[in-house]
Amino acid sequence: GNSVTQMEGPVTLSEEAFLTINCTYTATGYPSLFWYVQYPGEGLQLLLKATKADDKGSNKGFEATYRKETTSFHLEKGSVQVSDSAVYFCALRKGAGNMLTFGGGTRLMVKP
Amino acid sequence: EAGVTQFPSHSVIEKGQTVTLRCDPISGHDNLYWYRRVMGKEIKFLLHFVKESKQDESGMPNNRFLAERTGGTYSTLKVQPAELEDSGVYFCASSQGGPYNEQFFGPGTRLTVL
Repeated sequence: GNSVTQMEGPVTLSEEAFLTINCTYTATGYPSLFWYVQYPGEGLQLLLKATKADDKGSNKGFEATYRKETTSFHLEKGSVQVSDSAVYFCALRKGAGNMLTFGGGTRLMVKP
Repeated sequence: EAGVTQFPSHSVIEKGQTVTLRCDPISGHDNLYWYRRVMGKEIKFLLHFVKESKQDESGMPNNRFLAERTGGTYSTLKVQPAELEDSGVYFCASSQGGPYNEQFFGPGTRLTVL
């Protein structure tokens, strides 16, 4: 079946540091890939997405590139801020069912 | 426009009791989904409604869980009787008609079974 694996946290960085959160997936065919973010006390919000190989999703300074050859969708940001502290979830969607398959989540803590 | 709302935000019950979680989707969204995150692990799909019909309930763990969506509006998820392993965060999401539209998530209900 489909699955998503992402690096365990917490990830602790200083403000303005470079961020990478690794995500790999297992699925047949060509799933759509997503990063969701959950800020404290809030629901999950879609951060970015990519629907086909080599697509790059980007939003709020975050980027992720759909790599079919390595089945990866790593999240990156060049300079994190304290306000980026949250839990990040990598997810895929495949098939007409439209249900999302999530990874375990990675907590990011950014210190001033 | 109001987002997806869930009630209650927290619930603490004893093993064997019954709990009902409620989700109000964004107005006009035909698709409604339930997910849960247990013990800080991955978020797992439970079921999917299209209007009032269950489209996919393959993720429901067992028959102690019952989901309904009256009139295609709000949805309830009842756990009866609750077990310790049911503790976790239950998320609801909704999306517009069509299989590939963005899902908007509620803040979740944290359920603790003692």
